[in-house]
Amino acid sequence: DIEMTQSPSSVSASVGDRVTITCRASQGISSWLAWYQQKPGNAPKLLIYAASSLQSGVPSRFSGSESGADFTLTISSLQPEDFATYYCQQTKSFPLTFGGGTKVEIK
Amino acid sequence: QLQVQESGPGLVKPSETLSLTCTLSGDSISSPSYYWGWIRQPPGKGLEWIGSIYYSGSTYYNPSLNSRLTISVDTSKNQLSLKLRSVTAADTAVYYCVRQHQLENYFDPWGQGTLVTVSS
Repeated sequence: DIEMTQSPSSVSASVGDRVTITCRASQGISSWLAWYQQKPGNAPKLLIYAASSLQSGVPSRFSGSESGADFTLTISSLQPEDFATYYCQQTKSFPLTFGGGTKVEIK
Repeated sequence: QLQVQESGPGLVKPSETLSLTCTLSGDSISSPSYYWGWIRQPPGKGLEWIGSIYYSGSTYYNPSLNSRLTISVDTSKNQLSLKLRSVTAADTAVYYCVRQHQLENYFDPWGQGTLVTVSS
Protein backbone atom coordinates (compact mmCIF):
# COMPACT_ATOMS: atom_id res chain seq x y z
CA ASP A 1 0.00 0.00 0.00
CA ILE A 2 1.11 3.58 -0.63
CA GLU A 3 1.33 5.49 2.65
CA MET A 4 0.59 9.23 2.58
CA THR A 5 2.18 11.46 5.23
CA GLN A 6 0.83 14.96 5.74
CA SER A 7 2.45 17.78 7.63
CA PRO A 8 1.83 19.65 9.75
CA SER A 9 -1.08 17.95 11.50
CA SER A 10 -2.37 21.38 12.43
CA VAL A 11 -1.53 24.98 11.66
CA SER A 12 -2.73 28.22 13.22
CA ALA A 13 -3.05 31.13 10.84
CA SER A 14 -4.76 34.48 10.42
CA VAL A 15 -7.03 35.76 7.69
CA GLY A 16 -4.85 36.90 4.81
CA ASP A 17 -1.95 34.56 5.62
CA ARG A 18 -0.34 32.26 3.10
CA VAL A 19 -0.70 28.66 4.21
CA THR A 20 1.14 25.63 2.86
CA ILE A 21 0.40 21.99 3.60
CA THR A 22 2.69 19.18 2.52
CA CYS A 23 1.99 15.58 1.60
CA ARG A 24 4.59 12.90 0.91
CA ALA A 25 4.01 9.48 -0.62
CA SER A 26 5.91 6.38 0.49
CA GLN A 27 6.63 5.56 -3.15
CA GLY A 28 6.54 7.41 -6.45
CA ILE A 29 3.07 8.46 -7.55
CA SER A 30 3.97 10.95 -10.28
CA SER A 31 1.15 13.51 -10.32
CA TRP A 32 -1.50 11.13 -9.05
CA LEU A 33 -2.65 13.20 -6.09
CA ALA A 34 -5.84 14.93 -4.99
CA TRP A 35 -6.60 17.39 -2.22
CA TYR A 36 -9.86 17.73 -0.28
CA GLN A 37 -11.30 20.24 2.18
CA GLN A 38 -13.58 19.12 4.99
CA LYS A 39 -15.50 21.47 7.25
CA PRO A 40 -16.95 20.22 10.55
CA GLY A 41 -20.10 18.18 10.04
CA ASN A 42 -19.73 18.15 6.27
CA ALA A 43 -18.45 15.72 3.69
CA PRO A 44 -15.06 16.37 2.11
CA LYS A 45 -14.98 18.49 -1.03
CA LEU A 46 -12.58 18.01 -3.91
CA LEU A 47 -10.23 20.96 -4.40
CA ILE A 48 -7.44 19.74 -6.66
CA TYR A 49 -6.71 16.64 -8.72
CA ALA A 50 -3.72 15.52 -10.77
CA ALA A 51 -1.57 17.38 -8.22
CA SER A 52 -2.25 20.83 -9.65
CA SER A 53 -5.57 20.88 -11.54
CA LEU A 54 -8.13 23.09 -9.84
CA GLN A 55 -11.60 21.56 -9.62
CA SER A 56 -14.31 23.65 -11.22
CA GLY A 57 -15.75 26.23 -8.84
CA VAL A 58 -12.82 26.18 -6.42
CA PRO A 59 -11.34 29.65 -5.74
CA SER A 60 -8.04 30.43 -7.42
CA ARG A 61 -6.36 31.15 -4.06
CA PHE A 62 -6.02 27.36 -3.79
CA SER A 63 -3.18 25.81 -5.73
CA GLY A 64 -1.30 22.54 -5.81
CA SER A 65 2.25 21.73 -6.77
CA GLU A 66 4.77 18.93 -6.64
CA SER A 67 8.50 18.76 -6.11
CA GLY A 68 10.01 15.34 -6.26
CA ALA A 69 8.20 13.18 -3.72
CA ASP A 70 6.57 16.15 -1.99
CA PHE A 71 3.21 17.65 -2.85
CA THR A 72 2.03 21.02 -1.59
CA LEU A 73 -1.36 22.62 -1.19
CA THR A 74 -1.12 26.39 -0.92
CA ILE A 75 -3.79 28.83 0.13
CA SER A 76 -2.43 32.17 -1.04
CA SER A 77 -4.56 34.40 1.18
CA LEU A 78 -6.52 32.60 3.87
CA GLN A 79 -10.20 33.50 4.05
CA PRO A 80 -12.58 32.90 6.98
CA GLU A 81 -14.32 30.10 5.08
CA ASP A 82 -11.03 28.26 4.60
CA PHE A 83 -10.69 27.18 8.21
CA ALA A 84 -11.13 23.44 7.84
CA THR A 85 -9.27 20.16 7.68
CA TYR A 86 -7.44 19.27 4.48
CA TYR A 87 -6.61 15.78 3.23
CA CYS A 88 -4.42 14.51 0.45
CA GLN A 89 -5.16 11.27 -1.40
CA GLN A 90 -2.99 9.23 -3.73
CA THR A 91 -4.90 8.40 -6.89
CA LYS A 92 -2.25 6.21 -8.51
CA SER A 93 -3.31 2.74 -7.45
CA PHE A 94 -5.60 0.60 -5.34
CA PRO A 95 -5.90 0.55 -2.39
CA LEU A 96 -6.53 4.29 -2.54
CA THR A 97 -5.12 5.98 0.55
CA PHE A 98 -5.39 9.31 2.33
CA GLY A 99 -3.06 11.40 4.40
CA GLY A 100 -3.87 11.91 8.06
CA GLY A 101 -5.21 15.43 7.57
CA THR A 102 -4.13 18.97 8.41
CA LYS A 103 -6.37 21.16 10.49
CA VAL A 104 -6.17 24.86 9.67
CA GLU A 105 -7.20 26.81 12.75
CA ILE A 106 -7.76 30.47 13.53
CA LYS A 107 -4.78 32.14 15.17
CA GLN B 1 -26.22 17.70 -11.20
CA LEU B 2 -25.39 14.43 -9.52
CA GLN B 3 -26.61 13.81 -6.01
CA VAL B 4 -25.86 10.76 -3.92
CA GLN B 5 -27.74 9.82 -0.79
CA GLU B 6 -26.80 7.17 1.71
CA SER B 7 -29.42 5.29 3.72
CA GLY B 8 -29.48 2.50 6.24
CA PRO B 9 -29.63 1.68 9.95
CA GLY B 10 -27.79 4.02 12.26
CA LEU B 11 -27.20 1.33 14.86
CA VAL B 12 -25.84 -2.17 14.31
CA LYS B 13 -25.06 -4.80 16.94
CA PRO B 14 -21.58 -6.30 17.22
CA SER B 15 -21.05 -9.42 15.06
CA GLU B 16 -23.96 -8.47 12.79
CA THR B 17 -23.90 -7.12 9.22
CA LEU B 18 -23.81 -3.43 8.40
CA SER B 19 -25.89 -2.72 5.28
CA LEU B 20 -26.06 0.61 3.50
CA THR B 21 -27.59 1.78 0.23
CA CYS B 22 -26.63 4.75 -1.89
CA THR B 23 -29.19 6.16 -4.31
CA LEU B 24 -27.99 8.25 -7.24
CA SER B 25 -29.91 11.01 -8.96
CA GLY B 26 -28.74 13.10 -11.88
CA ASP B 27 -26.39 10.47 -13.32
CA SER B 28 -26.47 6.82 -14.26
CA ILE B 29 -24.61 4.22 -12.25
CA SER B 30 -23.97 2.57 -15.63
CA SER B 31 -21.81 5.46 -16.80
CA PRO B 32 -18.51 4.04 -18.13
CA SER B 33 -16.63 7.13 -16.92
CA TYR B 34 -16.88 6.42 -13.22
CA TYR B 35 -16.49 3.97 -10.42
CA TRP B 36 -18.78 4.19 -7.41
CA GLY B 37 -17.43 3.73 -3.95
CA TRP B 38 -17.59 3.94 -0.20
CA ILE B 39 -15.34 5.81 2.21
CA ARG B 40 -15.63 5.94 5.98
CA GLN B 41 -14.48 8.23 8.76
CA PRO B 42 -14.49 7.19 12.42
CA PRO B 43 -15.56 10.00 14.76
CA GLY B 44 -12.75 12.53 15.08
CA LYS B 45 -10.43 10.60 12.77
CA GLY B 46 -9.30 10.53 9.16
CA LEU B 47 -10.64 9.05 5.95
CA GLU B 48 -10.45 5.39 4.92
CA TRP B 49 -11.29 4.11 1.46
CA ILE B 50 -13.49 1.02 1.78
CA GLY B 51 -13.94 -0.09 -1.80
CA SER B 52 -15.13 0.74 -5.30
CA ILE B 53 -17.18 -0.90 -8.02
CA TYR B 54 -17.54 -0.41 -11.76
CA TYR B 55 -20.95 -0.72 -13.40
CA SER B 56 -19.82 -3.99 -14.95
CA GLY B 57 -19.49 -5.43 -11.47
CA SER B 58 -15.71 -5.31 -11.14
CA THR B 59 -14.81 -4.55 -7.55
CA TYR B 60 -11.78 -3.19 -5.72
CA TYR B 61 -11.69 -3.62 -1.95
CA ASN B 62 -9.48 -2.34 0.84
CA PRO B 63 -7.39 -5.38 1.79
CA SER B 64 -8.01 -4.64 5.47
CA LEU B 65 -11.76 -5.17 4.93
CA ASN B 66 -11.77 -7.58 2.00
CA SER B 67 -12.79 -10.69 3.93
CA ARG B 68 -15.89 -9.01 5.38
CA LEU B 69 -16.96 -6.78 2.52
CA THR B 70 -19.38 -6.91 -0.38
CA ILE B 71 -20.13 -3.95 -2.65
CA SER B 72 -22.71 -4.32 -5.40
CA VAL B 73 -24.74 -2.26 -7.83
CA ASP B 74 -28.37 -2.45 -8.91
CA THR B 75 -28.47 -0.73 -12.26
CA SER B 76 -32.27 -0.97 -12.46
CA LYS B 77 -32.60 1.08 -9.28
CA ASN B 78 -29.50 3.25 -9.87
CA GLN B 79 -28.25 2.16 -6.47
CA LEU B 80 -25.03 1.09 -4.86
CA SER B 81 -24.90 -1.07 -1.75
CA LEU B 82 -22.41 -1.94 0.97
CA LYS B 83 -22.44 -4.96 3.25
CA LEU B 84 -19.84 -5.30 5.99
CA ARG B 85 -20.07 -8.49 8.01
CA SER B 86 -19.07 -9.31 11.59
CA VAL B 87 -18.83 -5.69 12.67
CA THR B 88 -17.15 -4.46 15.85
CA ALA B 89 -16.98 -1.10 17.57
CA ALA B 90 -14.02 -0.27 15.32
CA ASP B 91 -16.45 -0.10 12.40
CA THR B 92 -18.32 2.82 13.97
CA ALA B 93 -17.95 5.66 11.49
CA VAL B 94 -19.61 8.07 9.10
CA TYR B 95 -19.97 6.19 5.82
CA TYR B 96 -19.82 8.20 2.60
CA CYS B 97 -20.98 7.19 -0.86
CA VAL B 98 -18.81 8.69 -3.60
CA ARG B 99 -18.39 8.91 -7.34
CA GLN B 100 -14.85 8.06 -8.39
CA HIS B 101 -13.38 9.30 -11.65
CA GLN B 102 -12.50 6.17 -13.60
CA LEU B 103 -9.15 7.42 -14.94
CA GLU B 104 -8.04 9.92 -12.31
CA ASN B 105 -9.37 8.06 -9.24
CA TYR B 106 -10.43 11.15 -7.34
CA PHE B 107 -13.73 11.33 -5.48
CA ASP B 108 -16.37 13.85 -6.46
CA PRO B 109 -19.05 14.38 -5.37
CA TRP B 110 -19.52 12.90 -1.92
CA GLY B 111 -22.80 12.05 -0.26
CA GLN B 112 -23.63 13.80 2.98
CA GLY B 113 -22.63 10.69 4.91
CA THR B 114 -24.46 8.52 7.39
CA LEU B 115 -23.28 7.69 10.89
CA VAL B 116 -23.33 4.02 11.75
CA THR B 117 -22.72 3.08 15.38
CA VAL B 118 -21.83 -0.46 16.35
CA SER B 119 -23.08 -1.13 19.84
CA SER B 120 -25.16 -3.63 21.73
